[in-house]
Amino acid sequence: DTEVTQTPKHLVMGMTNKKSLKCEQHMGHRAMYWYKQKAKKPPELMFVYSYEKLSINESVPSRFSPECPNSSLLNLHLHALQPEDSALYLCASSPPGRGNEKLFFGSGTQLSVL
Amino acid sequence: SQQGEEDPQALSIQEGENATMNCSYKTSINNLQWYRQNSGRGLVHLILIRSNEREKHSGRLRVTLDTSKKSSSLLITASRAADTASYFCATGGLYNFNKFYFGSGTKLNVKP
Repeated sequence: DTEVTQTPKHLVMGMTNKKSLKCEQHMGHRAMYWYKQKAKKPPELMFVYSYEKLSINESVPSRFSPECPNSSLLNLHLHALQPEDSALYLCASSPPGRGNEKLFFGSGTQLSVL
Repeated sequence: SQQGEEDPQALSIQEGENATMNCSYKTSINNLQWYRQNSGRGLVHLILIRSNEREKHSGRLRVTLDTSKKSSSLLITASRAADTASYFCATGGLYNFNKFYFGSGTKLNVKP
């Protein structure tokens, strides 16, 4: 299995809703990432988990809460989002070992906040 | 962008022509990678070049890296309509190997 699977593919939520994005990989990768991508812009790094521990938080607002329950799963919990948070949310993983850090991406969740 | 700029922002060529995209970055790096993104989809890894390498080839792709100028270029030879996509460079941190930042991207349109 060489895929990173993200669900749902599309999500529409109100500003008072709580929702979660899910990401799964079975490639034995020990680093997992969340990126946010606005239209016609590059992906922006949000969070990195390494060996199930949060290693990088790029000063993301607390309304985004990541979780890594095990080495195959990554969640992003969303609460009280703003319309400007509407974007494509991309999950990625990378194999362990220095020098092998290429990213494998899922196809993303297109999020709309109303 | 979080890391650097790419130019051109957009490039339109005929099938069979070569396409060259350039990437500049800001900080010292461990490696530099190129990714392709078809509209609204996830990114696909194309090629990785390490900081101690100057040039790398993979099929129709040729990547160069100049660490003194903090720049890289991606050449796609004999382009095809299927190469139409956005192309991003991404840099891997020198000390934090999991910190990947993407350049601003080049949107390539290959006309049949």
